[in-house]
Amino acid sequence: GESVGLHLPTLSVQEGDNSIINCAYSNSASDYFIWYKQESGKGPQFIIDIRSNMDKRQGQRVTVLLNKTVKHLSLQIAATQPGDSAVYFCAEKNAGGTSYGKLTFGQGTILTVHP
Amino acid sequence: GAVVSQHPSRVICKSGTSVKIECRSLDFQATTMFWYRQFPKQSLMLMATSNEGSKATYEQGVEKDKFLINHASLTLSTLTVTSAHPEDSSFYICSARDPGSRTEAFFGQGTRLTVV
Repeated sequence: GESVGLHLPTLSVQEGDNSIINCAYSNSASDYFIWYKQESGKGPQFIIDIRSNMDKRQGQRVTVLLNKTVKHLSLQIAATQPGDSAVYFCAEKNAGGTSYGKLTFGQGTILTVHP
Repeated sequence: GAVVSQHPSRVICKSGTSVKIECRSLDFQATTMFWYRQFPKQSLMLMATSNEGSKATYEQGVEKDKFLINHASLTLSTLTVTSAHPEDSSFYICSARDPGSRTEAFFGQGTRLTVV
């Protein structure tokens, strides 16, 4: 479903700590998930993606976990840095959709990293 | 990675005027582009799907006569906010899919529209 949240959840961490950002999705037919980072006044920036036939995917300092049983997605950021401070969104694509690239965005989480 | 460029990055207009926002795919051809709107501290809401050479597909609740979309070429889609009102003030973002990339969508840098 579409996100209609009025206030984004927040997560505050100390520099060097690991961060875990969570996302619940509602469409069990979604087959592709992406995490985006959005800095103030900018468009979303791709971080990492995962397809529904996987439950874990790792990138540089980031790991995405997918639990299809409970329709839950998480983004783990290792050794969080001040430059990681931003809003993080999960997005999903419906396997039955006819438009490639059409995404539904989650609510978003504001990550603040303190030096 | 693929680059999607939006112009302008910010615009201020008077109430009742129209504003055009451009979205270009710089190094790939995009038969489909997407337009999103984002209000402060909220998520991105899909407004419409822009289809090259055919009419745009609008999401429920989005007025197609107010938000005119034109996708005249494989690298350019435009969104025109007609008769803008202060409540149209928002951050508008486009995205496009590069068929040659495994990544589903690349986003423009967004356009901050302020209607006064």
